[in-house]
Order: sequence, then structure tokens, then C-alpha cells
Amino acid sequence: QVQLQESGPGLVKPSQTLSLTCTVSGGSINSGAYYWTWIRQHPGEGLEWIGYIYYSGTTYYNPSLKSRLSISLDTSKNQFSLRLSSVTAADTAVFYCARSNRALRDAFDIWGQGTTVTVSS
Amino acid sequence: QSVLTQPPSASGTPGQRVTISCSGSNSNIGFNTVKWYQQFPGAAPKLLIHNNDQRPSGVPYRFSGSKSGTSASLAISGLQSEDEADYHCAAWDESLNGWVFGGGTKLTVL
Repeated sequence: QVQLQESGPGLVKPSQTLSLTCTVSGGSINSGAYYWTWIRQHPGEGLEWIGYIYYSGTTYYNPSLKSRLSISLDTSKNQFSLRLSSVTAADTAVFYCARSNRALRDAFDIWGQGTTVTVSS
Repeated sequence: QSVLTQPPSASGTPGQRVTISCSGSNSNIGFNTVKWYQQFPGAAPKLLIHNNDQRPSGVPYRFSGSKSGTSASLAISGLQSEDEADYHCAAWDESLNGWVFGGGTKLTVL
């Protein structure tokens, strides 16, 4: 079955760029059936959609993060990545990658286990 | 402040039926379908309901969803101790051009 796994540094300094990668196994990322998604959850809070990318490379970003955000695909490695620049302590969160399934009206049907990123000097 | 409004907490006793509400607006719930996710402490969310009232394979029948106007509800009948978790609603927002979530509801089984 399809599985997603996040990877990247757990600690990032303020003003630097946060970079995470999601590796997809058990299925191809090069499919028009899905959007590949990043979602975060601040400590003790609800979920926040960051953005997603389609297999064509088309991206959709949360307007509140758009100026600092970049999501990309690497089909050769079956991975997609997140880059968030100029981070502050407010970006400290658990980051999840997820699959948005077009057949389920874009519901996030498969999630990675999540990775905690702390922004601190 | 979340775009969708959920009660922060809910509770019930085993066997009881509980409902969790999710209130939005014409640009999100009023226009698009609602999803519900279940999240246990320290774990990733899991899809519980999609397309307002559809259960993915493997989700017990006692979980049901409904939508009316700009509000949606998740109902859990025959409450069990293992249902104690956080529940999140979500919908696409046409005005914000992005996905929006509720703040989550922590369900306690007494």
C-alpha cells in the first residue's frame, strides 16, 4: 500500500529556510489522480493547509504563506519537497505530508507520520 | 483563529450517541463538501468521512456525517472508549482559494 514519509532537519534557526522532503512508496507520484500535500499543526492547535502540487508541477499555496513557500516534485526519486523561507518561532509545528485524492473530492486519504520542526536559535 | 468553527471539547459515556458540529460559511461548507479526520495523540490524522457523509473502507458504520447549509456534523453512535480522540473538519474555501480546517474537537469518553 502507499506510504508517505517525511524527512528533514528538526531544528531550524530563525530567518533561515525550512526544507522537508516527503518520500512516497508503494505508488507513483507521477499520477493525475492525486495532489501531493503539506499540512502543519502548531503545538496544541488545529491543522493548517500549507499547499500542494500536482504531477504536472502546478502548485497551490496557502495565501498566507505564499510569499515564503515553494513546493516541488522529484519524480525520479518519487518525492516532493517543501521549502519555507524566513522562518520564525511561529513556524514551529508538526509538518505532515499527505495525499489528496481526486476520487474522494480531494480528501487527504493517506498521511505521513509527521515530523516536528522547531525554529530556535 | 480557524475559519471553520468547532466546539473545543465534547464528551459522552460508552454506548451513547455524540455529535460534533462544524460551522462555516457560503464560501466553504456552503459551496463544497466536508471532510472529517480523526487524530489520536501523537499520531497523524486519519480520514474518517469524505464528501459530507461517505465513509472510506474500514471506517465503522457508527461514524456518520451530514451537512446542511453552511454547517456540518459528525455523529458517533454506540460510543466506545477507543473513540477518544481529536476530530477535525475541513472544506475547500472558494474565497481564500485553499483548504480550511476547524480548530478540532477533543472527544472524551467518560
